[in-house]
Amino acid sequence: GAGVSQSPRYKVAKRGQDVALRCDPISGHVSLFWYQQALGQGPEFLTYFQNEAQLDKSGLPSDRFFAERPEGSVSTLKIQRTQQEDSAVYLCASNLARDNEQFFGPGTRLTVL
Amino acid sequence: AQKITQTQPGMFVQEKEAVTLDCTYDTSDPSYGLFWYKQPSSGEMIFLIYQGSYDQQNATEGRYSLNFQKARKSANLVISASQLGDSAMYFCAMREGPGGTSYGKLTFGQGTILTVHP
Repeated sequence: GAGVSQSPRYKVAKRGQDVALRCDPISGHVSLFWYQQALGQGPEFLTYFQNEAQLDKSGLPSDRFFAERPEGSVSTLKIQRTQQEDSAVYLCASNLARDNEQFFGPGTRLTVL
Repeated sequence: AQKITQTQPGMFVQEKEAVTLDCTYDTSDPSYGLFWYKQPSSGEMIFLIYQGSYDQQNATEGRYSLNFQKARKSANLVISASQLGDSAMYFCAMREGPGGTSYGKLTFGQGTILTVHP
C-alpha cells in the first residue's frame, strides 16, 4: 500500500509483559515520528528518527520505552514491563522532509490489563 | 502552559451549514507552521490544511479554510457546506522552528468533536 502501516492494530497485554509495535513508513520518507494518544486527548510526541538515527527521544515517558529504526525504514517501538498507564493508541507518522505534512498510520491500540 | 488550545470540546452543526473550530497557539518562535487534522472514529489522522507563519494569505483546501490571525495567535478552521461525513474529532497542531532541535515534531491541542446533524 501507499500509506503508513502499523501492526498490530490492537494489542492486549497483561501488566508486566513486554510489547513491540511496528511501523512501516511510506517508502522514501526520511523522517519518522512516534506519538502516544491517550483516550480523548491529542497525540503527544514520543520520539523522532531521521533515517536510522534517533535524533530526539525527549518524549519517551520512561526508560521502559525504547524505539529503533535500524535500516532507516521500518521502526519498532518496544515497551518493557507494561503498566496500565501505558494503555493508549500509538501513532506512527512519516514525511519526506521537515516542512512537509506528516502522514499518519492507523495506530496501534494498546490495552494493558 | 498549553502551546495549542482548543476551547470547544464539542460542536454541533446542521448539514450544509458552515462551522468554525477555534484554535489558539503560543510560541515565541517567528517561524512555525499550523496544521489541522481530522480523526474519524476509525482512528486514522487525516491531514486537512496547513498555514505557515510567513504566509500572507489564509490557506484554503476545498471546503476547508484557515482563518489565520497572527497578532491574536489564532488559526481557526472553517468548514463550509458541512456534510455528515465531517463528523469526527478535529485537532489543531503546531510545528515550531526553522530546524535545529525541532525536527518538525507536532504539538497537538485537545481536539474538538464535531457532530453534523442531518
